[in-house]
Amino acid sequence: DTAVSQTPKYLVTQMGNDKSIKCEQNLGHDTMYWYKQDSKKFLKIMFSYNNKELIINETVPNRFSPKSPDKAHLNLHINSLELGDSAVYFCASSPKVNSPLHFGNGTRLTVT
Amino acid sequence: GEDVEQSLFLSVREGDSSVINCTYTDSSSTYLYWYKQEPGAGLQLLTYIFSNMDMKQDQRLTVLLNKKDKHLSLRIADTQTGDSAIYFCADASSNTGKLIFGQGTTLQVKP
Repeated sequence: DTAVSQTPKYLVTQMGNDKSIKCEQNLGHDTMYWYKQDSKKFLKIMFSYNNKELIINETVPNRFSPKSPDKAHLNLHINSLELGDSAVYFCASSPKVNSPLHFGNGTRLTVT
Repeated sequence: GEDVEQSLFLSVREGDSSVINCTYTDSSSTYLYWYKQEPGAGLQLLTYIFSNMDMKQDQRLTVLLNKKDKHLSLRIADTQTGDSAIYFCADASSNTGKLIFGQGTTLQVKP
């Protein structure tokens, strides 16, 4: 199936741990994104990469580090997890900058 | 900065039309989008409209754009219980393509 796929779907971990979320798209898109959805369903962009180059880096704690090994993958590594990091993290891709985004199904991160 | 506002809740009866409204502030928008999110699921792109268009129709969905008033609406004809979901309006920055989302409108469809 052509899609944006994220793993894992659920992630439960303790404060202070380091964790990664992986994202892959097989749509041939050039641009990938990470969005965070909080408990009130508010969606905010975190990062965007175009052809492996970082183009959007919102005000996000530097504990969050994206990595794009190739244009089909954008992973998110989070160091020293905090309770406030609990949220649903969505990966998305688009054919190019300023074109419709296609979202993955999200990773629900719970920090205890 | 850019802002997108939506009402939080709409309740309709099955078979009625639903109209979800959205306002935005960015004057340089190129595209405006409607996404649907069902419980526990990701965001599904429903439709989008280019900023130089006034209207777009796609089966039961009609999008109206008033660029002067920066107002966008989504009309769902013959609303079904399967349409119950959260609907997000989003505005794309012309420079970066960054999507600014509204808070989402929860649509409740009563049988």
